[in-house]
Amino acid sequence: AQSVSQHNHHVILSEAASLELGCNYSYGGTVNLFWYVQYPGQHLQLLLKYFSGDPLVKGIKGFEAEFIKSKFSFNLRKPSVQWSDTAEYFCAVHPDSNYQLIWGAGTKLIIKP
Amino acid sequence: KAGVTQTPRYLIKTRGQQVTLSCSPISGHRSVSWYQQTPGQGLQFLFEYFSETQRNKGNFPGRFSGRQFSNSRSEMNVSTLELGDSALYLCASSLVSGGGDEQFFGPGTRLTVL
Repeated sequence: AQSVSQHNHHVILSEAASLELGCNYSYGGTVNLFWYVQYPGQHLQLLLKYFSGDPLVKGIKGFEAEFIKSKFSFNLRKPSVQWSDTAEYFCAVHPDSNYQLIWGAGTKLIIKP
Repeated sequence: KAGVTQTPRYLIKTRGQQVTLSCSPISGHRSVSWYQQTPGQGLQFLFEYFSETQRNKGNFPGRFSGRQFSNSRSEMNVSTLELGDSALYLCASSLVSGGGDEQFFGPGTRLTVL
């Protein structure tokens, strides 16, 4: 069955630390890839997406993600996190054979001021 | 442009009761998807409606049903509630069907089953 795996359920970092959140999926065909973020008390919102082209995509608030097809991965990165990045981050994959998004379980990120 | 709205925001029900949740999508969006969110489980897809037709359904029992109206507003119904149905129910709207593009989420309805 198609699945999305987010390796860390909880991550705690200090401000200015670098961030990398892992996302792997199990599907060998073409995919659209998404990262969504849910800030405390706010709606889920799109952080960035990849459909095709340059595998390094940039999103809002200084986030970027790299699609590595050979590794079935779409890791999220930010060079220097801020306290306001405290949120839950979800990776989602849309396989071309499927008619729905497949979601990871989410990673709760806490940034210590 | 107004965002996705969901009503009610909070619900408390007892086992065996039924509940109806409502979602109004962003104007112009004809796709509405419903998700169940529980801690540690991420988002579990319930179903998607597009132009009043159910396009896809997740692995939930038949107690979970939905519909969409001609103005794209959607409702979700859960009958014979169980304790395990306690969750945050999210609605998302999109321009396209099938989950292939950005989805815009509402604030959710927090359902507690006692």
